Order: sequence, then structure tokens, then C-alpha cells
Amino acid sequence: AQSVTQPDIHITVSEGASLELRCNYSYGATPYLFWYVQSPGQGLQLLLKYFSGDTLVQGIKGFEAEFKRSQSSFNLRKPSVHWSDAAEYFCAVGAPGGYNKLIFGAGTRLAVHP
Amino acid sequence: DAGITQSPRHKVTETGTPVTLRCHQTENHRYMYWYRQDPGHGLRLIHYSYGVKDTDKGEVSDGYSVSRSKTEDFLLTLESATSSQTSVYFCAISDGGGNNVNQPQHFGDGTRLSIL
Repeated sequence: AQSVTQPDIHITVSEGASLELRCNYSYGATPYLFWYVQSPGQGLQLLLKYFSGDTLVQGIKGFEAEFKRSQSSFNLRKPSVHWSDAAEYFCAVGAPGGYNKLIFGAGTRLAVHP
Repeated sequence: DAGITQSPRHKVTETGTPVTLRCHQTENHRYMYWYRQDPGHGLRLIHYSYGVKDTDKGEVSDGYSVSRSKTEDFLLTLESATSSQTSVYFCAISDGGGNNVNQPQHFGDGTRLSIL
């Protein structure tokens, strides 16, 4: 069965430091991959998506992600974190069966120290 | 941001009472979804709709029913609420498209439901 694993439940970084959030997926075919961010009390906002083509994908708020088929990974990166990036981040993969369904990872909560 | 309104935003009710949550969209998107979010579980799909009057179950559908009588509205009903249904509920929408590409979902701001 398809699944998404985010190995890190909590991550703390200092403001200005680089960030990498890990995401591993299990999927038989070419996956559709997404990263979402959730600020407290709000819904999920799409950061970026991968459908095909260039394996390095640029998103909003200065984030990027790299699809590595050999490692079944889609890690999210940012070169310099801002205090406003503190939030919860979710990786998702398109689920089989159509209808744009998604399977979500459990999320990684990011804290940013000044 | 996608035009998605969830109501109510907060609700406290008692075990055994019926509860209905509403999701309203102004984007004319074909697909709509209800999720629940619980710590350590991410988002889990309850039900989804692929058109007016067309709905199907997700992975955690027991105890929930849905209805979609208009493109813009998707209702989630807890017929007899239980404490295990205390959660944050999110509605999402997605454009049907026609190119077989998995389009992203866009989310409402959620409803925090507490069942005492």
C-alpha cells in the first residue's frame, strides 16, 4: 500500500540556518508529490508540487524540494530559515484510484530559534 | 487563496448528539474532501465527492456521512457524536481537470470540534 513517511516529528533550527525536512514515499508508479505548510489555527497551504520533469522543484516562500527516485525521497529544503517559517510541514503523495486523492505523512513540526 | 469557507469554526457538543459541518466553495471545483487531523496521524480522509450526489468513503469513514446536493456545498454529518470524534476537521477542494494529472488540493481553515 502507498504510504508517506516523515521521519522527523520535531525539528529545531536557528534563524538563518539551512533546513532540510525529509520525506520518503512508497509508491509503485511515478508519484505525484506535494509539500504543504500549516501555521497554527490555519489550514494547509501548498508549498510546491512535483509531477514530472526537472527533479528540483521551486516553491513559494523560498522553499525547494528534490525528487530522488532511487531513494524514494522528496526532501524539502530552504537555504536560510526565517522565524515566520515555524509551522508544521506535511508531505503528500497522490493516491491511486484517481479523484486527486492524497496520502499524507504525519507531519514535521518546525521550531525556529532567534 | 482558494475560496473555501468552513462553518462553524468551533463547536462543542455532547456525546450522542448529531453534528453537521459545512464546507462551501466558490471555485466551482469538481472534487471535495473531508479530513480529520489528529496529533501523530497527519490528515486522514473521511469521505470525498467527485460530483453532485457522487460520494465515496475514505480510510476513516465509520460514524460519518456526507452529502453534496450542490457543486459548492459539501456537508459532513456525525449522526451520533462520540468522544473519539473530537478532532479538527478540514475540507479541501481540487480541480477535476482533464489531463489525468493529480492536481493539488486546497484547504479550508478547519473546524475544531470537541465532543464531551
